Amino acid sequence: ETGVTQSPTHLIKTRGQQVTLRCSSQSGHNTVSWYQQALGQGPQFIFQYYREEENGRGNFPPRFSGLQFPNYSSELNVNALELDDSALYLCASSDGKLLSEQYFGPGTRLTVT
Amino acid sequence: DQQVKQNSPSLSVQEGRISILNCDYTNSMFDYFLWYKKYPAEGPTFLISISSIKDKNEDGRFTVFLNKSAKHLSLHIVPSQPGDSAVYFCAATRGGADGLTFGKGTHLIIQP
Repeated sequence: ETGVTQSPTHLIKTRGQQVTLRCSSQSGHNTVSWYQQALGQGPQFIFQYYREEENGRGNFPPRFSGLQFPNYSSELNVNALELDDSALYLCASSDGKLLSEQYFGPGTRLTVT
Repeated sequence: DQQVKQNSPSLSVQEGRISILNCDYTNSMFDYFLWYKKYPAEGPTFLISISSIKDKNEDGRFTVFLNKSAKHLSLHIVPSQPGDSAVYFCAATRGGADGLTFGKGTHLIIQP
């Protein structure tokens, strides 16, 4: 059973640029969620995709957007990067059942300068 | 406004003793609670969960207790082992597409 993988591991961008982060779900999982973890904080829910549709969103502006592909892999896109976007971005997958556990990838560390 | 609070940033426990990690929540709509463990440079790893219809769930050395009236849950680890040293996150959800709401975490240090 393959776990959740994310790429790249680390990324440095300049304020105002755009970034795309990638995630491959655990085998058999059809739901992907993205979280932002700032230093010293717990992960914060960005949004969730189920069968290629966004079906839940946290308190993040529209410049955070995503995609889920037919193989259930996913992308997180962030436009017009701000310094406060510097964080660890975590992807989690689950089997889509109500109240099921989410399994996290190792994260992508984004630094915005 | 933090809906899930872990008021102890760190906790030090001797190997073999019981570790008790606490978590409080404010949203009475939360239906399901989870504990995750995180090592540096890794994503959080699911440990144990509990539904709001239960008050206790056990899995090996890990037990989670839920007190709904107090909006409080705790994770007990007994006996504590050196490999338990990590950051522990409490999380809660209403289920469905709501995502998980996390606390800030408690850094557990097991002393030999």
